[in-house]
Amino acid sequence: DAKTTQPPSMDCAEGRAANLPCNHSTISGNEYVYWYRQIHSQGPQYIIHGLKNNETNEMASLIITEDRKSSTLILPHATLRDTAVYYCIVRVITGSGNTGKLIFGQGTTLQVKP
Amino acid sequence: GAVVSQHPSWVICKSGTSVKIECRSLDFQATTMFWYRQFPKQSLMLMATSNEGSKATYEQGVEKDKFLINHASLTLSTLTVTSAHPEDSSFYICSARHLMNTEAFFGQGTRLTVV
Repeated sequence: DAKTTQPPSMDCAEGRAANLPCNHSTISGNEYVYWYRQIHSQGPQYIIHGLKNNETNEMASLIITEDRKSSTLILPHATLRDTAVYYCIVRVITGSGNTGKLIFGQGTTLQVKP
Repeated sequence: GAVVSQHPSWVICKSGTSVKIECRSLDFQATTMFWYRQFPKQSLMLMATSNEGSKATYEQGVEKDKFLINHASLTLSTLTVTSAHPEDSSFYICSARHLMNTEAFFGQGTRLTVV
């Protein structure tokens, strides 16, 4: 089962910041938080990941709470092309090898509106 | 980001036949590859994990004799759906990861329709 909880859907006005929350209250100390998005009928696209510090790249910012039990993905200026399903995933490390498999939950469908 | 390519993008096959889907990492060596399946309006479901040169590890409920996975090189993994049936119709997606990188990159997916 997925270890994260996300709202099923959100709307955002074009040009405004989109803030997508994620709860991961059972996260372990050595697990990262990953964000991917999937535009309709395409493979998921990597956005960002973090362990405990806030992270920023050209696509988004990731804010992780101090207790690491939740995080927020921020798209600073949403465009219509950002309409997609956004997945927050806690990376599972299994066995003796670091396979790093990603288990997807239901994600948040973000609809950016003109 | 790194590029992962799947082929074909879509395929239609007759019931009872086998279909092979290729997944290639174009600009990095993929020590681990993952295969997912996605039904309409559902999330991705992990089918199996394969490490180069080793047998794939299948998730619970996934038939290893039906979904054959080969990861013979660091840039290529294949998924063969054997004796396909209409219920195998789905969107199949591969993902690849290099040992030294923490993020995995996904292919564009393959739409399989079994008629």
